[in-house]
Amino acid sequence: RKEVEQDPGPFNVPEGATVAFNCTYSNSASQSFFWYRQDCRKEPKLLMSVYSSGNEDGRFTAQLNRASQYISLLIRDSKLSDSATYLCVVIPNNAGNMLTFGGGTRLMVKP
Amino acid sequence: NAGVTQTPKFQVLKTGQSMTLQCAQDMNHEYMSWYRQDPGMGLRLIHYSVGAGITDQGEVPNGYNVSRSTTEDFPLRLLSAAPSQTSVYFCASRDDWDTGELFFGEGSRLTVL
Repeated sequence: RKEVEQDPGPFNVPEGATVAFNCTYSNSASQSFFWYRQDCRKEPKLLMSVYSSGNEDGRFTAQLNRASQYISLLIRDSKLSDSATYLCVVIPNNAGNMLTFGGGTRLMVKP
Repeated sequence: NAGVTQTPKFQVLKTGQSMTLQCAQDMNHEYMSWYRQDPGMGLRLIHYSVGAGITDQGEVPNGYNVSRSTTEDFPLRLLSAAPSQTSVYFCASRDDWDTGELFFGEGSRLTVL
């Protein structure tokens, strides 16, 4: 089983839709969680951190469910510019130097 | 501010050839790393460094060497290229130990024939 798993998609949604992705992780001792965004043929960039209490940044909401070992990303009012691959990142408790990436979920927002 | 700079952006090698991917950062970050990205596999850590003179292996280190003689530079060497090393390589650095914010270079697309 992969340490960090994501549905590769693609998720095809119309503009204005709400879409959610989940990411599951296998190491229950994992401490830190993040969502990165990667545009086609570009480098990944940090989208947001995921805090235990959940956090929101504009149209984006990230949540952590430790009991079920998953994190989620909710995007409201999708824009064409949201089309990208969203990477889930986990830092295991005993490996602070080794960020573990999921395979990514591809989102395509259509007009 | 240039951030993280990788060269070359594209490279084609023949099996058995060696080459070095260059990575430089101007943010005075202690931590630097190399990842490879393959379809369906996500980014996998090859090697990393927590400061000048210190390097360590990541998840997929075989066939690659690194060195860290300065804070700024972290080159990745392919010793004897194999078709399995065809991939997109990303160099990344970070400063704050408590955050996951990695700053990536633009990537190097390597094809081994």
